Amino acid sequence: DIQMTQSPSTLSASVGDRVTITCRASQSIGNSLAWYQQKPGNAPKLLIYKASTLESGVPSRLSASGSGTEFTLTIISLQPDDFATYYCQRYDSYPLTFGGGTKVEIK
Amino acid sequence: EVQLVESGGGLVQPGGSLRLSCAASGFTFSSYDMHWVRQPTGRGLEWVASIGTAGNTDYPDSVKGRFTVSRENAKNSLYLQMNSLRDGDTAVYYCARGPMWYFYMDVWGKGTTVTVSS
Repeated sequence: DIQMTQSPSTLSASVGDRVTITCRASQSIGNSLAWYQQKPGNAPKLLIYKASTLESGVPSRLSASGSGTEFTLTIISLQPDDFATYYCQRYDSYPLTFGGGTKVEIK
Repeated sequence: EVQLVESGGGLVQPGGSLRLSCAASGFTFSSYDMHWVRQPTGRGLEWVASIGTAGNTDYPDSVKGRFTVSRENAKNSLYLQMNSLRDGDTAVYYCARGPMWYFYMDVWGKGTTVTVSS
């Protein structure tokens, strides 16, 4: 099975910082990658699909890129609402797999 | 408003069974793939089951042969029958919608908690 590895697992940052989260696939998955945000006690929320397409309503301070095996999610100016855990997910084929998550916490 | 509402979670002994339900509203349920994803407390997300519009199903090895996903389009409902439950199945179980042709999840329910313990 294709494994998804996210880094870092935890990221400490301040409001206004630029942050980047990386997701690596053990084999090429094309652009079949989604990103989700999850806040404590809540369900995940779709942010990005097709590696770089923003879901409707997602603020433009978030961007994503990549293809093949390496992908990134960038928040260009971190806002209080962005402190959360972020997961990548490959969906090129079954079995579907998620990355281990990156918790973005307040420095 | 597009909405998914899970129910049926609870406490069950190891080896027991439980059936989860997910009620969908606000969209044409029969036109979408549907998924179950779980999350143990303090851990990451794990895909559990998927069912396509034609009733085709997929499972990871961790639940294959124990879990069965089904759907009843006339009732806009998704189900997950869980048998031979183990401690490791303890988690919040989310129902999620998959957009046509793709296997990511664009709408999620709030989840229902399953606890497997003696």
